[in-house]
Amino acid sequence: NAGVMQNPRHLVRRRGQEARLRCSPMKGHSHVYWYRQLPEEGLKFMVYLQKENIIDESGMPKERFSAEFPKEGPSILRIQQVVRGDSAAYFCASSPGQGLSSYNEQFFGPGTRLTVL
Amino acid sequence: AQSVSQHNHHVILSEAASLELGCNYSYGGTVNLFWYVQYPGQHLQLLLKYFSGDPLVKGIKGFEAEFIKSKFSFNLRKPSVQWSDTAEYFCAVNTRGYGGSQGNLIFGKGTKLSVKP
Repeated sequence: NAGVMQNPRHLVRRRGQEARLRCSPMKGHSHVYWYRQLPEEGLKFMVYLQKENIIDESGMPKERFSAEFPKEGPSILRIQQVVRGDSAAYFCASSPGQGLSSYNEQFFGPGTRLTVL
Repeated sequence: AQSVSQHNHHVILSEAASLELGCNYSYGGTVNLFWYVQYPGQHLQLLLKYFSGDPLVKGIKGFEAEFIKSKFSFNLRKPSVQWSDTAEYFCAVNTRGYGGSQGNLIFGKGTKLSVKP
């Protein structure tokens, strides 16, 4: 059973370009979470999605960031017009989605390291 | 706002030494508590979790943690560390009964553990 997959593992963008980060959850998981880790910081929650629905985006910056989890295919975190401050590691986690979400273990992917030049 | 504090940024131990990593959280309600580990070059893995019941929780690889509600703490312990325990350790909380999705984890900044052979 493959774990959570993220690609690319490393992404380099110039200021003003767009970054697209992909996350394929574990088989059978319907909940996806995105977290961002800035240097010397812990992971910070960004957004929680279920298939075709955004459940909680309280951690997402109001501009330039968006996320989706379509019925088919991976979840996508999209950052438009990237700036240097967006350089970070972006982690995706998935969970089974049974019962209360707070009781579900989240399984993490390897992360995408975004560098903005 | 809820927060998680890990007081030790970097801990250096010799093999066979005992380990205790501190974790405190700020939230007055009911919480679920987690410790995750990230070995060099690998993704986050769950070490142990506490939802309810016995406040002394045993995890994988000989780790345990004790939930002390009155101190808002969930310290991680291991009686005798090995070189292979060298990793970064993250304490995390999610809150039950606090609005929204209740699913997202709030992480501490992490503690780097270096074990000298």
